[in-house]
Amino acid sequence: QVTLKESGPVLVRPTETLTLTCTVSGFSLSNAKMGVTWIRQPPGKALEWLAHIFSNDEKFYSISLKTRLTISKDTSKSQVILTMTNMDPVDTATYYCARIRYALFDPWGQGTLVTVSS
Amino acid sequence: EIVLTQSPGTLSFSPGERATLSCRASQSVSSNSLAWYQQKPGQAPRLLIYGASSRATGIPDRFSGGGSGTDFTLTISRLEPEDFAVYCCQQYGSSPITFGQGTRLEIK
Repeated sequence: QVTLKESGPVLVRPTETLTLTCTVSGFSLSNAKMGVTWIRQPPGKALEWLAHIFSNDEKFYSISLKTRLTISKDTSKSQVILTMTNMDPVDTATYYCARIRYALFDPWGQGTLVTVSS
Repeated sequence: EIVLTQSPGTLSFSPGERATLSCRASQSVSSNSLAWYQQKPGQAPRLLIYGASSRATGIPDRFSGGGSGTDFTLTISRLEPEDFAVYCCQQYGSSPITFGQGTRLEIK
């Protein structure tokens, strides 16, 4: 069974850097043509794709957030890490990770709510 | 960037009825790379349909997807109580990947 679980801080102060970890099970981050993606959803708003990383370490970023995002993976720990710098209250959202397989996001983790506030 | 518009924002139906949801793209979606997700409160989105019309594993056959180019639909042939949720479309054929705002299906 494939599962993903997000972890990270619940509260972040403005200007701080957010670090989120996605721990996967049921598949390997070294599997060909598989990857992990990050998506966020502000309260009551639409889903927004952030970044993804593939087994060959190829990375893609949202153009609007590219300067603030870094995605990486630790295959031995089955973890994908997303960092977002210079956090702002508008970045308050539920952050999800999901497996990418044949370009499809499936399944998703349960998500983690991150609030940005002083 | 392809903008996906789902309207209306909310639809009201009774259990047992047929519901059709709309997703319109601002430009043609490459290779009909259009997916639909179901999202319930406090839960992660669940993939229902991909490639515009293919059901994901384990999805009941009362869910069907259709359309091509810029106009896509999700049809639920006979609504069950557990189908009342938010439905969101996503295009994954062009970068950046984009999502629609979602349509809430509520019980009339």
